[in-house]
Amino acid sequence: AQTVTQSQPEMSVQEAETVTLSCTYDTSESDYYLFWYKQPPSRQMILVIRQEAYKQQNATENRFSVNFQKAAKSFSLKISDSQLGDAAMYFCAYRRFGNQFYFGTGTSLTVIP
Amino acid sequence: GAGVSQTPSNKVTEKGKYVELRCDPISGHTALYWYRQSLGQGPEFLIYFQGTGAADDSGLPNDRFFAVRPEGSVSTLKIQRTERGDSAVYLCASSPDIGGSYEQYFGPGTRLTVT
Repeated sequence: AQTVTQSQPEMSVQEAETVTLSCTYDTSESDYYLFWYKQPPSRQMILVIRQEAYKQQNATENRFSVNFQKAAKSFSLKISDSQLGDAAMYFCAYRRFGNQFYFGTGTSLTVIP
Repeated sequence: GAGVSQTPSNKVTEKGKYVELRCDPISGHTALYWYRQSLGQGPEFLIYFQGTGAADDSGLPNDRFFAVRPEGSVSTLKIQRTERGDSAVYLCASSPDIGGSYEQYFGPGTRLTVT
């Protein structure tokens, strides 16, 4: 079974600074997808960024970027120029083709004004 | 356009009762997923549908849980003889298809509390 591990239950960052959230996963597959989702107190899960395992280039979305290390099975999220609205739970998720997500336990991010 | 909606947003029930949780996916999305999120945990897969049929129900914890999607759109998650351990947020998500890197669009969830 696939497992996703987020070893940082809580993180904090000063507004305008950069923070990196860690994620590792376990799989024997070579073809899969990785995602970071944000869950604010409203409970609505919002996609932040996705990465296809076959792509070597790290995905970026504005202030959000990932460091994807396939051999190490590591998928970290970097948030640059942190904003107050970035405060939320962040979940790393693994998905095989066509199948359901496997989520980590989440990292609670606090942004300090 | 309208996103995924779930009703009710909160449900309180007594132990042993039957509950139904409803999910309205985004129009045209063929894939629909149910997850359960316990306090302090990430969402845990329960079941997903491709069209009307349950493509994978391996995440349902036991036979008290059942889900249907009779017309390939709205889905209902049904829980019989509820137990206190069933208390959680139940999330629904839909996707245009099951293939590729399709994003799953999540609803706001139903918070179920069993007293």
